Amino acid sequence: EVQLVESGGGLVQPGGSLRLSCATSGFTFSSYWMNWVRQAPGKGLEWVANIKEDGSEKKYVDSVKGRFTISRDNARNSLYLQMNSLRAEDTAIYYCARGGRGESTPYTWFDPWGQGTLVSVSS
Amino acid sequence: DFVMTQSPDSLAVSLGERATINCKSSQSVLYDSNNKNYLAWYQQKPGQPPKLLIYWASTRESGVPDRFSGSGSETDFTLTISSLQAEDVAVYYCQQYYHIPLTFGGGTKVEIK
Repeated sequence: EVQLVESGGGLVQPGGSLRLSCATSGFTFSSYWMNWVRQAPGKGLEWVANIKEDGSEKKYVDSVKGRFTISRDNARNSLYLQMNSLRAEDTAIYYCARGGRGESTPYTWFDPWGQGTLVSVSS
Repeated sequence: DFVMTQSPDSLAVSLGERATINCKSSQSVLYDSNNKNYLAWYQQKPGQPPKLLIYWASTRESGVPDRFSGSGSETDFTLTISSLQAEDVAVYYCQQYYHIPLTFGGGTKVEIK
């Protein structure tokens, strides 16, 4: 069974940092593009970033460029999101999601998704 | 960026009746070289992550009931639930994967009338 389990969320002050992790199992992690998608409380979905199978390509939504860094450790089957200079508008549930297409491309749907981890940015 | 606009924001449908959700892209998501529409649909129930229903605009994900169907091309797409069941109460999202940033529609909430 494919599983994605996020961790690392919590309450942080504006300007602070947080590192999210996504532990995966049940599939060959090193064969997939991986994504972070977020959802502000009561709001819609926003793709944040994705990373190629070997970590050599990374793409970000403009609102997090220069502040967030996506990375992965294929030996540990894990995905990460380092979030710096956090703002109130970064408050959201952050989901880890596998790229759905069976080919190497960042242009993909998301399947499956983890349960998410909540990040709250507030003083 | 590709802006995805869903309509309506919410709808209430009687059990067994048809529910129709629309999604309009600000630019075409039809890739000429393979004639595929780069559009997916998701279902999100309260307290749960989204679940993939449909990709390539009309290909149903394995295990998804056949009462769910997707149609449309280029900029205009539709998700249809042919006979609404109680377990279909959820928010539904479309998503384009033609262009980075990958973007979602604002969601449509489906309830029972």
